[in-house]
Amino acid sequence: QVQLQESGPGLVKPSETLSLTCSVSGGTIGSHSWSWIRQSPGDGLEWIGYFSDSGARNNPSLENRLTISVDTSKNHFSLKLSSVTATDTALYFCARQRSGVGFGGFDFWGPGILVTVSS
Amino acid sequence: DIQMTQSPSSLSASVGDRVTITCQASQDMSNYVNWYQQKPGKAPKLLIYDADYLETGVPSRFSGAKSGTHFSFTIHSLQPEDIATYYCQQYDRFPYTFGQGTKVDI
Repeated sequence: QVQLQESGPGLVKPSETLSLTCSVSGGTIGSHSWSWIRQSPGDGLEWIGYFSDSGARNNPSLENRLTISVDTSKNHFSLKLSSVTATDTALYFCARQRSGVGFGGFDFWGPGILVTVSS
Repeated sequence: DIQMTQSPSSLSASVGDRVTITCQASQDMSNYVNWYQQKPGKAPKLLIYDADYLETGVPSRFSGAKSGTHFSFTIHSLQPEDIATYYCQQYDRFPYTFGQGTKVDI
């Protein structure tokens, strides 16, 4: 059974960089696409970006501030969001996308990590 | 971006009732719509993919359908464990987008 686990600081100061890691167990990163998604009370669920063997795509609303990277040797992937503001406060999830039919569906999720942007 | 207008935002029904939630896409699109169930404090769970395919292990009382730009999700006989918030999600075009959610109560 695939398991995902987000990790990183729960509190980030405004204007600093939010850094999170998603560790994957029970499966290899190279075999699927992997996404970051966040959820805030005001904005609901927002897809942040994904990467796969064939490339990566980011949400244009975050494009200039966002970096998603992967470390296949550690079987984890990471998110860095720069110049954060209070509007980046959210529950951040990492998720696996289905392969083949329904490839845009997120079939395994981490439990989520709450990140608060505050001084 | 494709906007997914989900309705209703909340509903209350009885055990055994048939419940239907809809998502209206802001533009023509394929059947690349998924439906999720989220319980408090948990991550969303994929129930339906590509408009009408049931994810493995999901009870058959859940179903999805598509008619033009109109997508629907139905619980055919509501059970107490179905109390949750349900979301639609499109992946026809980037960026992927979600509906605003429907909270289902008994």
